[in-house]
Order: sequence, then C-alpha cells, then structure tokens
Amino acid sequence: AQSVSQHNHHVILSEAASLELGCNYSYGGTVNLFWYVQYPGQHLQLLLKYFSGDPLVKGIKGFEAEFIKSKFSFNLRKPSVQWSDTAEYFCAVKRSSNTGKLIFGQGTTLQVKP
Amino acid sequence: EAGVAQSPRYKIIEKRQSVAFWCNPISGHATLYWYQQILGQGPKLLIQFQNNGVVDDSQLPKDRFSAERLKGVDSTLKIQPAKLEDSAVYLCASTPGRQHTDTQYFGPGTRLTVL
Repeated sequence: AQSVSQHNHHVILSEAASLELGCNYSYGGTVNLFWYVQYPGQHLQLLLKYFSGDPLVKGIKGFEAEFIKSKFSFNLRKPSVQWSDTAEYFCAVKRSSNTGKLIFGQGTTLQVKP
Repeated sequence: EAGVAQSPRYKIIEKRQSVAFWCNPISGHATLYWYQQILGQGPKLLIQFQNNGVVDDSQLPKDRFSAERLKGVDSTLKIQPAKLEDSAVYLCASTPGRQHTDTQYFGPGTRLTVL
C-alpha cells in the first residue's frame, strides 16, 4: 500500500534559519506530489505541487520543493524562515492516474522563534 | 470566491450517540471528499464523491459511518453510533472535476470529541 513518511515530527528554528523538511513515499508508479500547510486556527492550504516537468517547484511564500524520483523524495525547503511560518506542514502523494485520493504524511510541526 | 464551508465547527458527544456533519463545497465543484484526521496524524480519505455518485469509499467504516450527496452539491457525513476512537477532525475538500491535476481545497473541519 502507498505510504508517506515525514522524517521530522517537530522542528524548532530561529528566524532567518534555513528549513528543510523531509518527505519520502512508497509507490513505484508515476505520482503527483503536494505540500500543504495549516497555520494555527486555519484550514489546510496548498503550498506547492508537482505534476510533471521541472523537478524543482516553487510555491507560495518563498517555499520550494525538489522531486528526486530515484530517492522517492519530495523535500520542502525555505532559505530563511519567518515567525509567520509557524505551522503544521503535510506532504501528500497521489497516483497520477488516480482522480483524487491523497495519501498524507503524519505532518511536521514547525515552530519559529522570533 | 467562497471556500468550502463546514458545520458545525465543534461537536462533543458521548459514545454510542449519533452525529452528523455538513459540507458545502466550492460552487461548481463536482468532486467532494471527506477526510478523517486523528490527532498527530495526517488526513485519511473516508469517501470521495463525483457529483452524487461514490467514487471511493474503501476506507469508510460502513458499519457506523455513512455519507450522502443527494443533489451533487452539499454532503452529509454521519456516525451512528460513535466510538471513542472516532474523536478526530473531519475535513471536507472539493475539486472542480475529475482531472488528476485538480487541486483539493479544504474546509475548516469539524472537530469531534467523543466522551
């Protein structure tokens, strides 16, 4: 069965530090990949997505992610975090032939200290 | 554009009671999803509708959970009877159609506590 693993459950950084959140999935076929973010008190929002083409995708608020097919990974990065990036981050995978079902990782809580 | 609406936002019930959640997707969105998010875990798909038909309900505990989307617009998810392990946030999401490139838009969720 498909699964998604996020390596870090809780990350604490100071403002201006660089961020990298790991995400690995288990599925040998073609996939679509997503990062969602949930800010405190808000609903899940799409941060960025990969369907095809350039494996380095850029999202909102300065986030980017790189799809490395050989490593089944889709790590999220940001060069310099801000206090407002404090949130929970979810990696999700969908089979590209599938019309909907997202498989989510367990989430990573990011706390940015001012 | 209005987002996905859900109600109630919070619900507390005792085990063995019944509960229902309502979702109104973004206008014109044909596909609707219900996810269950248990504390400390990522969302898990319970059921997916395309218009008023079920596309995937393989992870829906059908002995106690039911869902409907009679007119292909809003949807109701019911639990009867509730168990302690049903305590979770129930998320509704929608997409415009059946394109695999569609982005899922999520509602605020209903937080259910079963005592």
